[in-house]
Amino acid sequence: SQTIHQWPATLVQPVGSPLSLECTVEGTSNPNLYWYRQAAGRGLQLLFYSVGIGQISSEVPQNLSASRPQDRQFILSSKKLLLSDSGFYLCAGRTSGNTGELFFGEGSRLTVL
Amino acid sequence: AQSVAQPEDQVNVAEGNPLTVKCTYSVSGNPYLFWYVQYPNRGLQFLLKYITGDNLVKGSYGFEAEFNKSQTSFHLKKPSALVSDSALYFCAVRGLSSGSARQLTFGSGTQLTVLP
Repeated sequence: SQTIHQWPATLVQPVGSPLSLECTVEGTSNPNLYWYRQAAGRGLQLLFYSVGIGQISSEVPQNLSASRPQDRQFILSSKKLLLSDSGFYLCAGRTSGNTGELFFGEGSRLTVL
Repeated sequence: AQSVAQPEDQVNVAEGNPLTVKCTYSVSGNPYLFWYVQYPNRGLQFLLKYITGDNLVKGSYGFEAEFNKSQTSFHLKKPSALVSDSALYFCAVRGLSSGSARQLTFGSGTQLTVLP
């Protein structure tokens, strides 16, 4: 079965510092990968998705960027964090060609002070 | 464009009673429908999905959902609630005609609290 490993689990960073969140996928090849942000324990906001190595689509223009250097690796980054970047970040994946079901990582809690 | 509505932010039910979490959707063509559960500070866990076939879908932890095409609904149900079912529940939809890798559209979530 597919599994997503996501780290770090929690992160406290000062405003203006850089960010790197990483996720890796096991159990499938050539997955579609996604970064979501969840604010206040509620709705999911899609930030980025990727259908392959080096292919990134941005859903919301903002202070963040994403990269996919390897088939099963997806990275969320920022050069300078803002207070508004605080939230719960979730990496998700979907095996290409299946019925659309996503599998999620355990999330990364980012607090910007 | 596809959309999902979860009309209740909060549902409270007594342990042992049946529970229902409501979901309605809008999509072009036939839908793929999903339910996910999220415990505090955890990722989303897949519960069940409707793709085609029997309108009553059974999933994990004793949950089931009924697809109703005429009412465009996909309500989540469980005959007897447990305190451990208390969590945040998300409904999601994807249209079969969607070629976008954007994937699922999620509802805003319903917080289920099962009272002992």
